[in-house]
Amino acid sequence: EAGVVQSPRYKIIEKKQPVAFWCNPISGHNTLYWYRQNLGQGPELLIRYENEEAVDDSQLPKDRFSAERLKGVDSTLKIQPAELGDSAVYLCASSERVGTQYFGPGTRLLVL
Amino acid sequence: AQSVSQHNHHVILSEAASLELGCNYSYGGTVNLFWYVQYPGQHLQLLLKYFSGDPLVKGIKGFEAEFIKSKFSFNLRKPSVQWSDTAEYFCAVKGGGADGLTFGKGTHLIIQP
Repeated sequence: EAGVVQSPRYKIIEKKQPVAFWCNPISGHNTLYWYRQNLGQGPELLIRYENEEAVDDSQLPKDRFSAERLKGVDSTLKIQPAELGDSAVYLCASSERVGTQYFGPGTRLLVL
Repeated sequence: AQSVSQHNHHVILSEAASLELGCNYSYGGTVNLFWYVQYPGQHLQLLLKYFSGDPLVKGIKGFEAEFIKSKFSFNLRKPSVQWSDTAEYFCAVKGGGADGLTFGKGTHLIIQP
């Protein structure tokens, strides 16, 4: 069974530029999560989707971050414009409705 | 808001030594508890989990953890570590109506051959 797929794996951009990350969850997993992991820290939840509905986006900085999961399968997380402090690893995870979360490899973002 | 505390940020052990990594959480209600591991260059993988039942749970690669409700703890143990156990270990909690996980800051474990 394929795991959670994320792309790109690495991204280097200059500040004020836009950037987007893509995630394809495990087949059949209705719940999708985006986390951000800063250096030396554990992951922190940004947003959770149940199918195509964002049911918890309280930790998403909405002034510059947006996310979508239009067909309830894959998802995109966008930052516009990026700031130096956005440098981090962005992780996607998926689960069945109330099951264990499985994580993708992450996208390592460096903002210069 | 929940919080998770991992007491040791860096641990260095020799092969065959016993391991115990501490984890405490703040939420007093029903919780689900997890230990994830991240080997160098790899993504987060589930080591073990506790949802209910026997508070002593066994995971992959000889790891186990004990849920002690009165102490709000979920410590990870392994009787004899191997060089291949070198990795970052994260304790995580789900509870209080939140469906996302709250992670600790992680413990970087280095096993010396």
